[in-house]
Amino acid sequence: DTEVTQTPKHLVMGMTNKKSLKCEQHMGHRAMYWYKQKAKKPPELMFVYSYEKLSINESVPSRFSPECPNSSLLNLHLHALQPEDSALYLCASSQLWEHGNTIYFGEGSWLTVV
Amino acid sequence: EDQVTQSPEALRLQEGESSSLNCSYTVSGLRGLFWYRQDPGKGPEFLFTLYSAGEEKEKERLKATLTKKESFLHITAPKPEDSATYLCAVPRSSGNTPLVFGKGTRLSVIA
Repeated sequence: DTEVTQTPKHLVMGMTNKKSLKCEQHMGHRAMYWYKQKAKKPPELMFVYSYEKLSINESVPSRFSPECPNSSLLNLHLHALQPEDSALYLCASSQLWEHGNTIYFGEGSWLTVV
Repeated sequence: EDQVTQSPEALRLQEGESSSLNCSYTVSGLRGLFWYRQDPGKGPEFLFTLYSAGEEKEKERLKATLTKKESFLHITAPKPEDSATYLCAVPRSSGNTPLVFGKGTRLSVIA
């Protein structure tokens, strides 16, 4: 079973709102990721967690705040976003990245900022 | 600088018309080349991982091959349901950073 579950599937939020995207995996993976994807573009890495610790932040603005409560869950807290932040947000997981393991993606959360 | 280049950007095929998609890469110490399929509005679906030159993997009408500089995704007798964007990705050669993606090939198979 290679399933990464993301909620919600769609989210519309105002620029002053605070919302969260959630991700869950039960494959025993110890690395989890957030990617952002704009239309007709490839996914772009935002954050990597290894063993529930943030290991990579690709210079993402602070209005995006990741959290990894445990080895199965990953959240992305959103605050004071801009319309240009509207995109598909993808969660992914893998065994530890150092070994070049396959990354499995969720279905994504469509975010629209109005 | 690590780079992944996919060609063509878009490909339109008639049903049953076989073809190949190309992924060329420049990264030292390759630790795997990954192919994904992505349907509109959905997350990428893992297809294949190739680790060494000469390796081949198959799944239904798809066959992926790898050389030292590029990978091909061969599509044999495609069907309309094969229409999707196909993404190629490799790990960065330095640092503990995962995949860098190519821009993808948008495949349309017409009945």
